[in-house]
Amino acid sequence: AQRVTQPEKLLSVFKGAPVELKCNYSYSGSPELFWYVQYSRQRLQLLLRHISRESIKGFTADLNKGETSFHLKKPFAQEEDSAMYYCALSSGSARQLTFGSGTQLTVLP
Amino acid sequence: KAGVTQTPRYLIKTRGQQVTLSCSPISGHRSVSWYQQTPGQGLQFLFEYFSETQRNKGNFPGRFSGRQFSNSRSEMNVSTLELGDSALYLCASRGAGQGTREQFFGPGTRLTVL
Repeated sequence: AQRVTQPEKLLSVFKGAPVELKCNYSYSGSPELFWYVQYSRQRLQLLLRHISRESIKGFTADLNKGETSFHLKKPFAQEEDSAMYYCALSSGSARQLTFGSGTQLTVLP
Repeated sequence: KAGVTQTPRYLIKTRGQQVTLSCSPISGHRSVSWYQQTPGQGLQFLFEYFSETQRNKGNFPGRFSGRQFSNSRSEMNVSTLELGDSALYLCASRGAGQGTREQFFGPGTRLTVL
């Protein structure tokens, strides 16, 4: 069975500080990993996906198959980054997303 | 392109009633998935429809059902509502073909069961 773990329910950092949101997964094959973000009173939206290896809004995430991790990082957090972040996995023939429990990020001024 | 739309946005029902939620995917998208979001359980997959056929189903009781129409619009039905069914129900659509399994989410329907 596939599983996604986000160990931090809440995370607070100061503006300008680096931020890392942790995500670990369990799946024996080759998963596709995503980070979704939900800003206050907005819908869930894709932030980035591992296959495109892109940087969105200054965020990056690298898939580490050895450690089965897909941590989300940003070198300098901004107040507008405050939101709920979900790590998600899609695998094999299954098309549904398995979500982690989410991390509420608060960037303090 | 217009995004995924869901109706109604809010719904209040009492135990034992049934409810139908509607989802219109992004134009051209043929895959529609439903998720339940609760504070305790987080986001959980309910089912996925593609070309009017259910392709995948999560671990939910038979009271939860769905269907998809020829225009890709989808409905989700919950019968004999229980208090624990109170949740935000999200619909997501995905384009067909090769490539990413990225899904685009709607704003959700907030269901409250009294």
